Amino acid sequence: QVQLVQSGAEVKKPGASVKVSCKASGYIFTGYYMHWVRQAPGQGLEWMGWINPNSGVTDSAQKFQGRVTMARDTSDSTAYMELYGLRSDDTAVYYCARGGYSGFDYLEYWGQGARVTVSS
Amino acid sequence: EIVLTQSPGTLSLSPGERATLSCRASQSLSSGYLAWYQQKPGQAPRLLIYGASSRATGIPDRFSGSGSGTDFTLSISRLEPEDFAVYYCQHYGSSRGTFGHGTKVEIK
Repeated sequence: QVQLVQSGAEVKKPGASVKVSCKASGYIFTGYYMHWVRQAPGQGLEWMGWINPNSGVTDSAQKFQGRVTMARDTSDSTAYMELYGLRSDDTAVYYCARGGYSGFDYLEYWGQGARVTVSS
Repeated sequence: EIVLTQSPGTLSLSPGERATLSCRASQSLSSGYLAWYQQKPGQAPRLLIYGASSRATGIPDRFSGSGSGTDFTLSISRLEPEDFAVYYCQHYGSSRGTFGHGTKVEIK
């Protein structure tokens, strides 16, 4: 069965960076786009971007461009999202979610989420 | 950029009642690339509906999606206790997914 297992909770200081991992299993990793979605405390879902694990091509929401890097390790079926220049309003749960064969797809499988707290 | 507006913000209903949730797009979603997700506290979202009206695997048939153009609806025919949650719509047709702000369905 499809599983996405994310790394654990992190506490970071303002200005630092955080790297969240998402290990996939139960399907061909390079066959499906991987998306990143975050959720601030008590707030809704915010789409951040995606990576094509086959080519490594990425796309991200305009508000994160220049501040986020998405990468993958195909040998380990793991996707990564690194966010730089952390601010207090980056405190959120970060989810990876499997898309489809292109960037235009719904998100059928989700990781358990990784809580990132930004605090001085 | 397409904006999705969900209404109402909160829906207070009793078990067994019918729930009707709305998602309105700022531009026509001619492709019908509209999904609905359910999220319970402390859990990841769960896909309910994709392509505006197709139920995802394992989703009970009391959940149904409809609509086209700019107006979409998620209906829950008879609310079960486990259906009280927050529901989000998402447009995934632009390669940059956009979520609505959610509708909370709470027990009256």
